[in-house]
Amino acid sequence: NAGVTQTPKFQVLKTGQSMTLQCAQDMNHEYMSWYRQDPGMGLRLIHYSVGAGITDQGEVPNGYNVSRSTTEDFPLRLLSAAPSQTSVYFCASGDRGSGANVLTFGAGSRLTVL
Amino acid sequence: QKEVEQDPGPLSVPEGAIVSLNCTYSNSAFQYFMWYRQYSRKGPELLMYTYSSGNKEDGRFTAQVDKSSKYISLFIRDSQPSDSATYLCAMSGMFSGGYNKLIFGAGTRLAVHP
Repeated sequence: NAGVTQTPKFQVLKTGQSMTLQCAQDMNHEYMSWYRQDPGMGLRLIHYSVGAGITDQGEVPNGYNVSRSTTEDFPLRLLSAAPSQTSVYFCASGDRGSGANVLTFGAGSRLTVL
Repeated sequence: QKEVEQDPGPLSVPEGAIVSLNCTYSNSAFQYFMWYRQYSRKGPELLMYTYSSGNKEDGRFTAQVDKSSKYISLFIRDSQPSDSATYLCAMSGMFSGGYNKLIFGAGTRLAVHP
């Protein structure tokens, strides 16, 4: 059971470039989300999804897009990278039974924007 | 003012000490209170999960919630070097659709030295 898999683990981008962070889960969780983690700021919710075809914004959505075409996958797209998007990104999934309070996190994707 | 306040530490204690980690919050609608543990370069993992006020014990870990004071605590007894990690409090209320948006504290870095 792989849980939540994120790729890539590390990425360096130049300002203005675009990229997609991949996230896949094999637990059949309806709820999936993306967080960013910055020093002193904790985890902040970027976007989330409660099922295929359903997405919504979190606390810090600007500069990011998401889509959910399948239950398993929830990619995060950076449209035009900025240095302020340098961060560690975590994908997390949860099931309806816990109301998504119990989240399973991926190992993280460390992004640097120059 | 942040919805959830958590002292980032670092907190350094000798092996065997009792550790107390705390968070305060401002939103009286929060009903679910969690503690996640995050080892260096890893994703967070759920440690304790409580609903409403009261205590919950799991081995060497005890979670306390005081809703009247808007204050939650995590106690670690007989701390071990393997407890060295960042501890993040998280909390949520309910919103439409049956899924919760977790609000995380900034995390407290704990180091237990032999």
